[in-house]
Amino acid sequence: AQTVTQSQPEMSVQEAETVTLSCTYDTSESNYYLFWYKQPPSRQMILVIRQEAYKQQNATENRFSVNFQKAAKSFSLKISDSQLGDTAMYFCAFRGTASKLTFGTGTRLQVTL
Amino acid sequence: DAGVIQSPRHEVTEMGQEVTLRCKPISGHNSLFWYRQTMMRGLELLIYFNNNVPIDDSGMPEDRFSAKMPNASFSTLKIQPSEPRDSAVYFCASRPGQGGDTQYFGPGTRLTVL
Repeated sequence: AQTVTQSQPEMSVQEAETVTLSCTYDTSESNYYLFWYKQPPSRQMILVIRQEAYKQQNATENRFSVNFQKAAKSFSLKISDSQLGDTAMYFCAFRGTASKLTFGTGTRLQVTL
Repeated sequence: DAGVIQSPRHEVTEMGQEVTLRCKPISGHNSLFWYRQTMMRGLELLIYFNNNVPIDDSGMPEDRFSAKMPNASFSTLKIQPSEPRDSAVYFCASRPGQGGDTQYFGPGTRLTVL
């Protein structure tokens, strides 16, 4: 079974600074997908970024980018120029050959002035 | 485009009552997922459908839980009888067919069982 680990329960960053959220996973599969979802206080689960395992190039979406290290089974999220609206829970998720998503326990990010 | 629609957004009920949660997936998506989020267990898959057919219901906690998808645009998750430990946020998500790997989530239903 796949597992996803987020070792940082909480993080804080000042506005305009950069922060990196960590995620590691365990799988025996070679083809899979990784995701970062954001959950603000509204509870809505919002896709931030996705990465296909067969692609070596790290995914980027505006201020959000990932550092995907397949051999190390690591998938960290970097948020540049942090904004107050980035305050949320961030979940790392894995999808292998099974269609379901396996989620980590989340990292609560607080962006401060 | 409308996203995934869930109703009700909040539900408060008493132990022993039947609860029905509803979901309308994004038009054209052919996979639908029900997840539950609790503090203790985090986000976990309950069941998912592909082309209206249940594919994996191994996450359904017990016989009190049932899910149906009578057509491509509607699904229900029913709990009968409900118990206080069922209190959680229930999310529905849908995913496109070919070439789609991203699941799009609805706003969730916060269920409280007293």
